[in-house]
Amino acid sequence: EIVLTQSPGTLSLSPGETATLSCRASQSVSSNYLAWYQHKPGQAPRLLIYGASSRATGIPDRFSGSGSGTDFTLTISRLEPEDFAVYYCQQYGSSPRTFGPGTKVDIK
Amino acid sequence: QVQLQESGPGLVKTSETLSLTCTVSGGSITNYYWSWVRQPPGKGVEWIGYIHYSGNTNYKSSLRGRVTMSVDTSKKQFSLKLTSVTAADTAVYYCVRGWTYFDYWGQGTLVTVSS
Repeated sequence: EIVLTQSPGTLSLSPGETATLSCRASQSVSSNYLAWYQHKPGQAPRLLIYGASSRATGIPDRFSGSGSGTDFTLTISRLEPEDFAVYYCQQYGSSPRTFGPGTKVDIK
Repeated sequence: QVQLQESGPGLVKTSETLSLTCTVSGGSITNYYWSWVRQPPGKGVEWIGYIHYSGNTNYKSSLRGRVTMSVDTSKKQFSLKLTSVTAADTAVYYCVRGWTYFDYWGQGTLVTVSS
């Protein structure tokens, strides 16, 4: 199965700054089938990005995804207070579907 | 807006069967795949398996033999049964829509396995 590694584990930033989150796969993700999710405590996780770079419905354009093969990036521009959360990547290029361990973006 | 809600016991005894149901509201259960994922405390998220509204299933190989999923389209519900549970099955269980990426999630329910 594909193992996903996310870095950094925690990112401490101020509102207005840009967050750059990395997701690395143990082998190439087929067709760049990689998704990103946002998870806040007590809430359902929310799909942000699929297909490595396509924003899900209703997701603001300050969220962008990029990358291919084994290296993927989620960029959050102009951090808003509501963006402080845990972010997970997930691959669906092969079975079983697997998730990364998450990156926590917290307020500096 | 599609909403998913998990329901079931929050405490299950070791070696018994964990049973959860997910109720879908605000959208159709047909024409979609539905999955269960879980997250043990302090650990990563694990996909358990999926069920298609037609009843076709696919389970993670390491859990095959203990997992059964079913669907009741008339009630807009799908269910998870996990047998012979141990403390390692303690987790927050989420029902989600999809089999590739997961576009709708329930809020999750904590199931604790204890003797």
